Amino acid sequence: NAGVTQTPKFRVLKTGQSMTLLCAQDMNHEYMYWYRQDPGMGLRLIHYSVGEGTTAKGEVPDGYNVSRLKKQNFLLGLESAAPSQTSVYFCASSRRDTIYEQYFGPGTRLTVT
Amino acid sequence: GENVEQHPSTLSVQEGDSAVIKCTYSDSASNYFPWYKQELGKRPQLIIDIRSNVGEKKDQRIAVTLNKTAKHFSLHITETQPEDSAVYFCAASIPGNQFYFGTGTSLTVIP
Repeated sequence: NAGVTQTPKFRVLKTGQSMTLLCAQDMNHEYMYWYRQDPGMGLRLIHYSVGEGTTAKGEVPDGYNVSRLKKQNFLLGLESAAPSQTSVYFCASSRRDTIYEQYFGPGTRLTVT
Repeated sequence: GENVEQHPSTLSVQEGDSAVIKCTYSDSASNYFPWYKQELGKRPQLIIDIRSNVGEKKDQRIAVTLNKTAKHFSLHITETQPEDSAVYFCAASIPGNQFYFGTGTSLTVIP
């Protein structure tokens, strides 16, 4: 089992460029999440999904979009990157029946210049 | 929404001493409180959790206590070891499984 994987691991974007971060899990988890981690601010929830084809906004959704077309994948998109989106992005997943335990991916370090 | 505050932001202890990290939350509907450990450059990993119907939980050198009335919960690490050095995050989860994380405590265990 690979668990939760994220692609890419690092990326540098220029302001205004777009990109998509891919999260994949092979644990058959129903729930998936995207967080951003900034120094001194902990982990903040961007968007989450409780099942294939469904998404919901978290604490800091502005400037991001997501899609969950397949159960195992959760995509995070930045349509027009801004320097304020420089962060480390973590994906996580959890099962519905052990709803509370979240497993995290290795993270993607994104820099927007 | 929920607001989770975590203290202290940094903590240094001598090897073998105990470490205590405290968190408070604001939403009385929160019913699940996990603690995550994050080593430098790595992903957060769950180390212990507690549900709102329990006051205390222990797992070897780690324990968590919850006071629902006061809306605070704490992580206790006894007999600290250098490998306990990491950033620790508390979180509170409201029904619907949205997690709200504290800002983290950087723990350094001095050999």
